Amino acid sequence: DAGITQSPRHKVTETGTPVTLRCHQTENHRYMYWYRQDPGHGLRLIHYSYGVKDTDKGEVSDGYSVSRSKTEDFLLTLESATSSQTSVYFCAISEGEGSLSDTQYFGPGTRLTVL
Amino acid sequence: DQQVKQNSPSLSVQEGRISILNCDYTNSMFDYFLWYKKYPAEGPTFLISISSIKDKNEDGRFTVFLNKSAKHLSLHIVPSQPGDSAVYFCAASARASGAGSYQLTFGKGTKLSVIP
Repeated sequence: DAGITQSPRHKVTETGTPVTLRCHQTENHRYMYWYRQDPGHGLRLIHYSYGVKDTDKGEVSDGYSVSRSKTEDFLLTLESATSSQTSVYFCAISEGEGSLSDTQYFGPGTRLTVL
Repeated sequence: DQQVKQNSPSLSVQEGRISILNCDYTNSMFDYFLWYKKYPAEGPTFLISISSIKDKNEDGRFTVFLNKSAKHLSLHIVPSQPGDSAVYFCAASARASGAGSYQLTFGKGTKLSVIP
């Protein structure tokens, strides 16, 4: 299994509070991604990073920000959580350019509940 | 507009029989396709992939077929086992686009139940 951990694994918070989710990898992969999974929607990309301090928006980026200060860590922040952000969040990594494939490897997920 | 579609939300198959999961796509720029398996409370795990220059890729009990003209791919599992019960996601990327972002577009998933 790819060395990807996510923390926390579960979190319950209240509307309006800030929340930060952490993704940590030990594979030294260049690309890191944040997805959310909701019933009826599959996996939707929130933000991704293609290097330290290099990030870009995905399909559902509103209300989220990210930071990547080190190769191994990718943080997802909800500045002011809303109930619509209740979801399961997955981090993924891939080698990206120069590799033979775009295969992404996923972390175990974080279940976030916003009350 | 969904670029990757898995039109069957669920599928039930008897143990030992073949499971066929289908996926359709609309973006002709997609040139690499993947299948992921997901168990409850776990992250998706990579299963098998295929490049657009091939029409078939096999790995043990799992075979993926690609029909570019129909923009259709399928995953065959033979024989199906109870441990194969999971949600299967189809995904696609457009490496040739030059965007460099290596993004994957996922379908909504098909829940496979293999009945003992």
